[in-house]
Amino acid sequence: EAAVTQSPRNKVAVTGGKVTLSCNQTNNHNNMYWYRQDTGHGLRLIHYSYGAGSTEKGDIPDGYKASRPSQENFSLILELATPSQTSVYFCASGGQTSNERLFFGHGTKLSVL
Amino acid sequence: GEQVEQRPPHLSVREGDSAIIICTYTDSATAYFSWYKQEAGAGLQLLMSVLSNVDRKEEQGLTVLLNKKDKRLSLNLTAAHPGDSAVYFCAVSPGSWQLIFGSGTQLTVMP
Repeated sequence: EAAVTQSPRNKVAVTGGKVTLSCNQTNNHNNMYWYRQDTGHGLRLIHYSYGAGSTEKGDIPDGYKASRPSQENFSLILELATPSQTSVYFCASGGQTSNERLFFGHGTKLSVL
Repeated sequence: GEQVEQRPPHLSVREGDSAIIICTYTDSATAYFSWYKQEAGAGLQLLMSVLSNVDRKEEQGLTVLLNKKDKRLSLNLTAAHPGDSAVYFCAVSPGSWQLIFGSGTQLTVMP
């Protein structure tokens, strides 16, 4: 079974602080994604990548950066965290096209105080 | 761009009853349709997926119906049991890199 591991599972940050969420996949998938999940909005795409060294903006990229240093790792970076970024963040990996199944991590619950 | 609406946001049924969740989408070029299940404290897991050339698919007590004319996708859980309690999301792809998710349905199955 494909595996996507996120760390940390829970994070409390202060407003203006820097937060890095990490994701590791052992599926050898080219595509990786970062979503946030908020009540009433479902999952919204923040950034995605289709290979090492690439990052692309999703639907709600403002206030977030992403980094894909290797096939396995994809990070989401909040340089100046704000309370509006309090949410649950999910990383996912998938194959070459969006017609393929996505494999999700367990999520990171981020609270920005 | 593509917009997806999912309803109802909350659904409560008794064990053995059926539960129906519906999504409507706007882009007639949408080619891929899927349903994901999210159990408490976990990520999403794929339940079923269909391509646009399929109107109906059944697997293990689940039925997915696709009505392309009305741009409507539905998930029917026949004979629901308490283990089906979770949040369900539809997700569609208009052919680009990404999936567009519905807002989710919290299903509760009461014994």
